[in-house]
Amino acid sequence: SQKIEQNSEALNIQEGKTATLTCNYTNYSPAYLQWYRQDPGRGPVFLLLIRENEKEKRKERLKVTFDTTLKQSLFHITASQPADSATYLCALPIYLSGGSYIPTFGRGTSLIVHP
Amino acid sequence: DVKVTQSSRYLVKRTGEKVFLECVQDMDHENMFWYRQDPGLGLRLIYFSYDVKMKEKGDIPEGYSVSREKKERFSLILESASTNQTSMYLCASSLPYSSPYNEQFFGPGTRLTVL
Repeated sequence: SQKIEQNSEALNIQEGKTATLTCNYTNYSPAYLQWYRQDPGRGPVFLLLIRENEKEKRKERLKVTFDTTLKQSLFHITASQPADSATYLCALPIYLSGGSYIPTFGRGTSLIVHP
Repeated sequence: DVKVTQSSRYLVKRTGEKVFLECVQDMDHENMFWYRQDPGLGLRLIYFSYDVKMKEKGDIPEGYSVSREKKERFSLILESASTNQTSMYLCASSLPYSSPYNEQFFGPGTRLTVL
């Protein structure tokens, strides 16, 4: 069956360092992958989308890579700040029989940036 | 500013009650989704709709139904609330999968407690 895996353990880093989060998937070849940020008690907020033909995407201090051979995406936050502390979710479109694609989310990884 | 709104932030209901959760989006999106989110289990899709009056079951539809009479509004109904339906409920909307800009926009969530 198709699976999306994110590290369930929280990632603790010091302010100013680069945070790297991982999203692995199996039994699937998605056309794209998305990353979202979720703060406690709030809905997720879209950050970045990377397509299968893109190796890397950047937005300000964020960088996402997509390795379709390894079936893995890495999400980097450079010069991290305490305000970056949140849970980060990856999402892939999963094909349903009947022709629909629905986004399926990993369980997310909590990032804690210490001052 | 684009928005997805949900009718309540917090809701307390009794076992056996019929519960309505309302979601409205102002972006003219075709797709709308209902998720529930529980600690350790991540976001799980209950139902989604890709057009008015159309609905598809997600991963955990049991005990729920939905209604989409207008494009901007998607309602989740708990026919007879049970304590195991205590959860955070999140509504989202998006453009179709075929769109290159189909990220999901989430509402603020409704934290439902069933006593």
